[in-house]
Amino acid sequence: QVHLVESGGGVVQPGRSLRLSCAVSGFTFSSYDMHWVRQAPGKGLEWVATISFDGSNEYYVDSVKGRITISRDNSKNTLYLQMNTLRVEDTAIYYCAKDVGVQAWSYKYFDSWGQGTLVTVSS
Amino acid sequence: IVLTQSPATLSLSPGERATLFCRASQSVSRFLAWYQQKPGQAPRLLIFDASSKATGIPVRFSGSGSGTDFTLTISSLEPEDFAVYYCQQRSNWPITFGQGTRLEI
Repeated sequence: QVHLVESGGGVVQPGRSLRLSCAVSGFTFSSYDMHWVRQAPGKGLEWVATISFDGSNEYYVDSVKGRITISRDNSKNTLYLQMNTLRVEDTAIYYCAKDVGVQAWSYKYFDSWGQGTLVTVSS
Repeated sequence: IVLTQSPATLSLSPGERATLFCRASQSVSRFLAWYQQKPGQAPRLLIFDASSKATGIPVRFSGSGSGTDFTLTISSLEPEDFAVYYCQQRSNWPITFGQGTRLEI
């Protein structure tokens, strides 16, 4: 059974850093592209970042480029999101999500999601 | 690519047919998905590539469309279908979502 569990969220001041983790089980992590999607309180979904199955490619929404880095450790079945220079507008629930496709056949749709971790950026 | 969903809110009763729309600002071919999200839960993939059903999705859900105009249809609403629905395109970076349609009783 596919399982994704995010952790690392919390309350942080503007300009500070936070690292989110997503521990996965139930599938061959190293074969799937992985994604982070966020949702501001009461708002819609926003894609944040994608990393290829082997970690060789990363993609970001413009609003986080240069501040946020996605990474993965396939030996630990864990996905990360390093968030630096946080802004108030980064406040959201952050979900990690698994791609539908496998390896080079990435679909960039999200078929399994974690429960999310809340990041609140406030002074 | 901007995705515009309509209507913003749809009020229907169990047993009725629901039709939700998603319009893209430029062609996304058939690279569009639909998700369902209930309060306090993560989204759930329903449909991908415009009309392919994700694993375990009931037959009452169907998707259609191509290019810029897409439809999600729920043939006969069950009480558990009342939720927010989002469309998502993967044709071009950045991946984008529509703003959502709230399906309410």
